[in-house]
Amino acid sequence: DGGITQSPKYLFRKEGQNVTLSCEQNLNHDAMYWYRQDPGQGLRLIYYSQIVNDFQKGDIAEGYSVSREKKESFPLTVTSAQKNPTAFYLCASSMMGSTSPQHFGDGTRLSIL
Amino acid sequence: SQQGEEDPQALSIQEGENATMNCSYKTSINNLQWYRQNSGRGLVHLILIRSNEREKHSGRLRVTLDTSKKSSSLLITASRAADTASYFCATDGRSGGSNYKLTFGKGTLLTVNP
Repeated sequence: DGGITQSPKYLFRKEGQNVTLSCEQNLNHDAMYWYRQDPGQGLRLIYYSQIVNDFQKGDIAEGYSVSREKKESFPLTVTSAQKNPTAFYLCASSMMGSTSPQHFGDGTRLSIL
Repeated sequence: SQQGEEDPQALSIQEGENATMNCSYKTSINNLQWYRQNSGRGLVHLILIRSNEREKHSGRLRVTLDTSKKSSSLLITASRAADTASYFCATDGRSGGSNYKLTFGKGTLLTVNP
């Protein structure tokens, strides 16, 4: 079945540590996105990519980094510069174009040790 | 910045009743989408309505769009306990460079009691 796989489901970060969240899709979508969701809040866009080897900052990119070396993969690194990383992270993909619905993974919950 | 804002923040109804959720937004859009999120899961796309459409149906869902008031509503008819979830509206901006981005509201938490 086609879909988006995020791993791990739960992740713990120590002080000063970088952690990487995985996102893989087999939907043949060009565009991929990373969102952050805090309790009782909507989704805020961290980074997005419309094509391999290219990505753009979203609304809250500080403290995060991404890469897009393959069409299927869009990993997100939460760096030590992100001082409040505890949140639910969601990855999504879509075909190109503003009328395309986004397909979401089931998220990674990141907590601080 | 968050463009869409849902109202109410929370809604509790009995099974079989209808549920109506509203979304307001600030700038011009190409389309508006509604998503559903079960607790601890990712979002699932429900329905998309284009700016030149006024109403759209999909099963028990009915969406309306009023671009003059910059608002949309999602109606779920004959609700079921399985409809319990958070519902989000999402808009795409017409401003340059943001055509592929969606802006999500904070959501409405719907609880359907058996």
